[in-house]
Amino acid sequence: KAGVTQTPRYLIKTRGQQVTLSCSPISGHRSVSWYQQTPGQGLQFLFEYFSETQRNKGNFPGRFSGRQFSNSRSEMNVSTLELGDSALYLCASSPLSERAPGDEQFFGPGTRLTVL
Amino acid sequence: AQRVTQPEKLLSVFKGAPVELKCNYSYSGSPELFWYVQYSRQRLQLLLRHISRESIKGFTADLNKGETSFHLKKPFAQEEDSAMYYCALRLTGGGNKLTFGTGTQLKVEL
Repeated sequence: KAGVTQTPRYLIKTRGQQVTLSCSPISGHRSVSWYQQTPGQGLQFLFEYFSETQRNKGNFPGRFSGRQFSNSRSEMNVSTLELGDSALYLCASSPLSERAPGDEQFFGPGTRLTVL
Repeated sequence: AQRVTQPEKLLSVFKGAPVELKCNYSYSGSPELFWYVQYSRQRLQLLLRHISRESIKGFTADLNKGETSFHLKKPFAQEEDSAMYYCALRLTGGGNKLTFGTGTQLKVEL
């Protein structure tokens, strides 16, 4: 099976712009989670989608939003970009229909967003 | 709120020496604990999970609820173990949210 894919891999934006990142999970996976990785804050959870519904949300401002489509592909959007949004954004998918103890999340390569 | 602490940013050991990467957590319930690893230029991947009590690539980790720790150990370090290691916690009940520690860079020197 192909792994989790994320597009684009690199993105440069300026302050005030908005951006949309895309994630395609492993075929058959219905749960998609997003994480922000920065040198200062490390890996921080943004949100999780399951069957097109947001199931969990991290402590990020409303400028960060996401959605999931019926084919389980997911997008996240950041509006009114700030310099501090520069980060590696990781997507992870999980195989099970109901979360079971110990089930694995598979991570994508990430999208590197630079805000100038 | 739950928290994961990895006190060492960098751990440098010689090849063949024992390795212990520390991880402590704070959570009042019964969490699930994981170790994820990121090799150079590769994506983040699961190394092991406490619930399966398995040994992967010679690494083991035991969940100590009394000390709220989940330290990662390997008796003899290999050069290929050099990587970034993240300890992560997931709450029991609902969702796949992982809370990560800040990570420890393991460097195995010859």
